Amino acid sequence: EDQVTQSPEALRLQEGESSSLNCSYTVSGLRGLFWYRQDPGKGPEFLFTLYSAGEEKEKERLKATLTKKESFLHITAPKPEDSATYLCAPYLYNFNKFYFGSGTKLNVKP
Amino acid sequence: GAVVSQHPSWVICKSGTSVKIECRSLDFQATTMFWYRQFPKQSLMLMATSNEGSKATYEQGVEKDKFLINHASLTLSTLTVTSAHPEDSSFYICSALYNRGQETQYFGPGTRLLVL
Repeated sequence: EDQVTQSPEALRLQEGESSSLNCSYTVSGLRGLFWYRQDPGKGPEFLFTLYSAGEEKEKERLKATLTKKESFLHITAPKPEDSATYLCAPYLYNFNKFYFGSGTKLNVKP
Repeated sequence: GAVVSQHPSWVICKSGTSVKIECRSLDFQATTMFWYRQFPKQSLMLMATSNEGSKATYEQGVEKDKFLINHASLTLSTLTVTSAHPEDSSFYICSALYNRGQETQYFGPGTRLLVL
């Protein structure tokens, strides 16, 4: 059965304290893996797409990496405005849909 | 990035009435759009996949007669909640599949529905 697990569920960091979020998946026929950021009461905002193991992408303080079994979202020197829920979503070849993880709620304190 | 809009952003209605939510891709054509439902403090739950010119594909457990989806053009999909009841109150979010080289799913801002 296809599964997506994100950890931790919640993460509290001090401003400037770097950390990583994990997205583990057991899906067959992975076409790509997407990372999104969601603020309360809003639709998810696209961050990255990763297509193959070893691929990395960066945007400001965020860097996403992908292996065959999991993806990491590294946050370097976070700021309070990085506080949000981060969602990962594998996208499969055989099914035209995305599987969303339950998300990691990040809270960065000044 | 590509822009997806939703209208209305929030709606309050009486039990038994029907509510239509529009999802538009503003600067690109989308043959595929998705409709999600999100409960408080929970992740997105895919309700259905909407393909332009064909019937929507509903996820298991989603009543197709309750949640009517129409994808009449390459830039517009609509979700109609028929005979709404309080348990249908939720945050509904649409997305559109953007396919120029690499596929990406862009989301609308969401519609909050409250059924009294």
